[in-house]
Amino acid sequence: DTGVSQDPRHKITKRGQNVTFRCDPISEHNRLYWYRQTLGQGPEFLTYFQNEAQLEKSRLLSDRFSAERPKGSFSTLEIQRTEQGDSAMYLCAGGSDAWGEQYFGPGTRLTVT
Amino acid sequence: TQLLEQSPQFLSIQEGENLTVYCNSSSVFSSLQWYRQEPGEGPVLLVTVVTGGEVKKLKRLTFQFGDARKDSSLHITAAQPGDTGLYLCAGVYPGTYKYIFGTGTRLKVLA
Repeated sequence: DTGVSQDPRHKITKRGQNVTFRCDPISEHNRLYWYRQTLGQGPEFLTYFQNEAQLEKSRLLSDRFSAERPKGSFSTLEIQRTEQGDSAMYLCAGGSDAWGEQYFGPGTRLTVT
Repeated sequence: TQLLEQSPQFLSIQEGENLTVYCNSSSVFSSLQWYRQEPGEGPVLLVTVVTGGEVKKLKRLTFQFGDARKDSSLHITAAQPGDTGLYLCAGVYPGTYKYIFGTGTRLKVLA
């Protein structure tokens, strides 16, 4: 158990709806990452926070995606106007080591119908 | 485009056999990590390598970072069914926080 929790674990939504996922790392995790993983692929980087600052964001991320980490603790990832192509596992990882070791949560599986 | 290529993509072996998984890039990494992932779960960190030529051992697993910090290998000795899973390497390039994951090696160890 990495101590990183994600909620919900599963989400089914209709195309066009907005969804929000939450990630709770442990208190020592000043670093926080979001990834998307589709079947048969490795995780794909979405964004990175150091404390509350969003320091890097993938160019693959469209304007429909936004992430926040308001107090440097938990983080949320929102997807607006969902599309079927957004169906994937969304993973959150926390870390505090200088070399960027990441401890993943169990993920949120999103299905867009 | 920065790519991390893993080989082989799939591996099915008998219990007790040895195997090696490779992770290659054309660019230099600041650090590289290996993970194992089981279906429906997040990846679990196995090791981080930082120094070129570094070798780390974790029980029956041996990890090596290439001298030029562009490639890495994972060797499993006497594989067991509990080693079954998706093995992923992930690297971060200098000057960025963005981790690139390999495509993964799906290992199945048969009893």
